[in-house]
Amino acid sequence: GAGVSQSPSNKVTEKGKDVELRCDPISGHTALYWYRQSLGQGLEFLIYFQGNSAPDKSGLPSDRFSAERTGGSVSTLTIQRTQQEDSAVYLCASSLAKTSGVDEQFFGPGTRLTVL
Amino acid sequence: GQSLEQPSEVTAVEGAIVQINCTYQTSGFYGLSWYQQHDGGAPTFLSYNALDGLEETGRFSSFLSRSDSYGYLLLQELQMKDSASYFCASPNQAGTALIFGKGTTLSVSS
Repeated sequence: GAGVSQSPSNKVTEKGKDVELRCDPISGHTALYWYRQSLGQGLEFLIYFQGNSAPDKSGLPSDRFSAERTGGSVSTLTIQRTQQEDSAVYLCASSLAKTSGVDEQFFGPGTRLTVL
Repeated sequence: GQSLEQPSEVTAVEGAIVQINCTYQTSGFYGLSWYQQHDGGAPTFLSYNALDGLEETGRFSSFLSRSDSYGYLLLQELQMKDSASYFCASPNQAGTALIFGKGTTLSVSS
């Protein structure tokens, strides 16, 4: 079956511009996660959606970052007024979320964001 | 806060056995997971330990000791394709996402 898909695969933008990153989770997965991975680093949690519950936004680094999930499926991560330190690979994952943190998470291929 | 520590690099030769250690400090422990990530690829799940002891999946095994806040991933009969980064991870205090270590880069040579 189809895995997690993300678009675009690469995004180059100028400092100060807004960007939108898209994630299509695996069908039937109720939990969706966004992570950020800087070069040579581990994954940094950004935001978590579970069904109709309020999202856990505790990992968002600033108010320039926001995300939404429409219809319990597709999610969009928006970064406003991008800065050079936002350059990273943004990874989306989904899971069945019997108990969110201990579920196997299935990751998408990521969006590599470069802010010039 | 929560943190997971693991070595940054490990090297080994084909056919050998390698152990990647992970020590953690967490508030409310829900288990330890391991993920593999090839260069430029997506992380993929390898194993999960909720309880103390050894979990074996083919050439890979994972161990957990909750009393020592320690776990490891054991890779046997190493192959060139095992060259990748390996991350240990544990759920955050809210149980809403994973906290990852910074990863261990494994290089397997012939």
